Amino acid sequence: DIQMTQSPSSLSASVGDRVTISCRASQSIGSYVNWYQQKPGKAPKLLIYAASNLQTGVPSRFSGSGSGTDFTVTISSLQPEDFATYYCQQSYSIPDTFGQGTNLEI
Amino acid sequence: EVQLVESGGGLVQPGGSLRLSCAASGFTFSSYWMGWVRQAPGKGLEWVANIKPDGSEKYFVDSVKGRFTISRDNAKSSLYLQMNSLRAEDTAVYYCARRGAATRRACFEYWGQGTLVTVSS
Repeated sequence: DIQMTQSPSSLSASVGDRVTISCRASQSIGSYVNWYQQKPGKAPKLLIYAASNLQTGVPSRFSGSGSGTDFTVTISSLQPEDFATYYCQQSYSIPDTFGQGTNLEI
Repeated sequence: EVQLVESGGGLVQPGGSLRLSCAASGFTFSSYWMGWVRQAPGKGLEWVANIKPDGSEKYFVDSVKGRFTISRDNAKSSLYLQMNSLRAEDTAVYYCARRGAATRRACFEYWGQGTLVTVSS
């Protein structure tokens, strides 16, 4: 199975900060990485697909990059509604696997 | 508007069975790979199973192989997860999710609200 290692596991930041979350795959997976945001008690929400494509309706302050084994999602200027848990996911091979999550808090 | 509505969760004893359903609307159900993803209390996301649009291919995470079955009824725009021989470690919120395109490798573009399965005596 492909392991997805996210870092950091938790992150404290302030409104207006620029924040980057990283995800490393245990083997090369091309651009088959997706990023999700989850708020407490809610379903995950797709933010970025295929490493760098912004999902429709997601604010442009979110961006994704990377290929092969190293991927990042960046929030250029944190807004109050961005405080949540973020997950990366590889869809290159079965089983799909998720990173352990990054809890972004104030 | 795409909607996915899960049902069928609840409390079940270890070794018991449960069938989850997911009613889909707002898109051509028969054109998309569908899947189930679960989340144990306070834990991260875990992919459980996928099914091809025509139902001819099905994939499972190792921990549920031989115990869970995924199926679909395209005429009813519905997805199912039959869970047998349930264990305490299967306790989780189960999400129904639609892939973003007609390919197994697409992202999970849409998610249901989830249904809680609790396995306990």
